[in-house]
Amino acid sequence: GAVVSQHPSWVICKSGTSVKIECRSLDFQATTMFWYRQFPKQSLMLMATSNEGSKATYEQGVEKDKFLINHASLTLSTLTVTSAHPEDSSFYICSARDRQGAHTEAFFGQGTRLTVV
Amino acid sequence: DAKTTQPPSMDCAEGRAANLPCNHSTISGNEYVYWYRQIHSQGPQYIIHGLKNNETNEMASLIITEDRKSSTLILPHATLRDTAVYYCIAYSGSARQLTFGSGTQLTVLP
Repeated sequence: GAVVSQHPSWVICKSGTSVKIECRSLDFQATTMFWYRQFPKQSLMLMATSNEGSKATYEQGVEKDKFLINHASLTLSTLTVTSAHPEDSSFYICSARDRQGAHTEAFFGQGTRLTVV
Repeated sequence: DAKTTQPPSMDCAEGRAANLPCNHSTISGNEYVYWYRQIHSQGPQYIIHGLKNNETNEMASLIITEDRKSSTLILPHATLRDTAVYYCIAYSGSARQLTFGSGTQLTVLP
């Protein structure tokens, strides 16, 4: 199946610094990518929808100035957590769907474990 | 997309079939049933999806009732590596993103 690669798989950063997470679709083009966040023992919560060549669409309650999303090409989206704080520690997961159809399966990256100390 | 209801947890003996139920009584005609699973600290993995016919692939079988109000995911011979949270999602395609519920924690016991 198609592969979505997410990097890094884990990161530890100091409070107040910024962290960038990359999400790449390796063998297909993704017009749209999705960013999720998952806290321990909870389900995935959609943060934002990343559209190639345009601004991301954020879910209610997600600060767009804190979670910067860039989707510069059909195979790469990045999420930057700016001025990270301990409460931003979470598991961040990206997802992409082949641009060819709505009912093809979505593929997920392996996730990034962010720990802010 | 329609809400789905799943039991929070299930156990299954290794080598036996695991049958995971999902209720989606408000599903609309254009919504597919998708199943994903998430092994601890990994991203979700696609398993199978279907509209109204039963589906089978190398991983699992999906049985959808005739009224489409419920479905069952069947792992025919569960192994310890199948221990994961299994998510059942009703999806129309119009929203483009998948909305995850709380899922079922399946534990395969040796």
